[in-house]
Amino acid sequence: LAKTTQPISMDSYEGQEVNITCSHNNIATNDYITWYQQFPSQGPRFIIQGYKTKVTNEVASLFIPADRKSSTLSLPRVSLSDTAVYYCLVGDKASGGSYIPTFGRGTSLIVHP
Amino acid sequence: EPEVTQTPSHQVTQMGQEVILRCVPISNHLYFYWYRQILGQKVEFLVSFYNNEISEKSEIFDDQFSVERPDGSNFTLKIRSTKLEDSAMYFCASSWDRKNTGELFFGEGSRLTVL
Repeated sequence: LAKTTQPISMDSYEGQEVNITCSHNNIATNDYITWYQQFPSQGPRFIIQGYKTKVTNEVASLFIPADRKSSTLSLPRVSLSDTAVYYCLVGDKASGGSYIPTFGRGTSLIVHP
Repeated sequence: EPEVTQTPSHQVTQMGQEVILRCVPISNHLYFYWYRQILGQKVEFLVSFYNNEISEKSEIFDDQFSVERPDGSNFTLKIRSTKLEDSAMYFCASSWDRKNTGELFFGEGSRLTVL
């Protein structure tokens, strides 16, 4: 199982760009990298997914270097409402063969006024 | 936007009582999941369900837990005899496929408090 490591917490201010890096040194060839966001007392919400290079959607960008051993979630111009826990997920094929998203501790992002 | 709905939003029960948590997954999804999150801890996988049977389960999902899709729309989690340590937020999720590119859609959760 690919293990991920990400900072426990980060602080930022409104209007700044936030970059959260995740390490996944033993990522498998067919593993995708997926990021979820969780607000307090709510279920996780899918943000973005990528395999290599760069992916961008209306919410965030995901940068993946050529070796794929890390990835960086970039949130442009954060606002107070971006305060949440951000999870990086990789791989995790269960014994029965299906892919089960497995959450680590995540990164708690606090955006200050 | 389609969403996963869960009921109740909060349930308080006495230790030893049975609890049923209900979920309505997104209508064209085929795979269903239950996760739980104890306060201050990480989101933990409990069970996945496909084609009317359990496809994966974690070691947390022991004999006191069961899941069912009784009528083609609802997906339920039953805890037979609740313990204090079952107090947690329980999240239902659904997805279109089970590949590693499959996005899971989570509900808002059901908070279970066992006294």
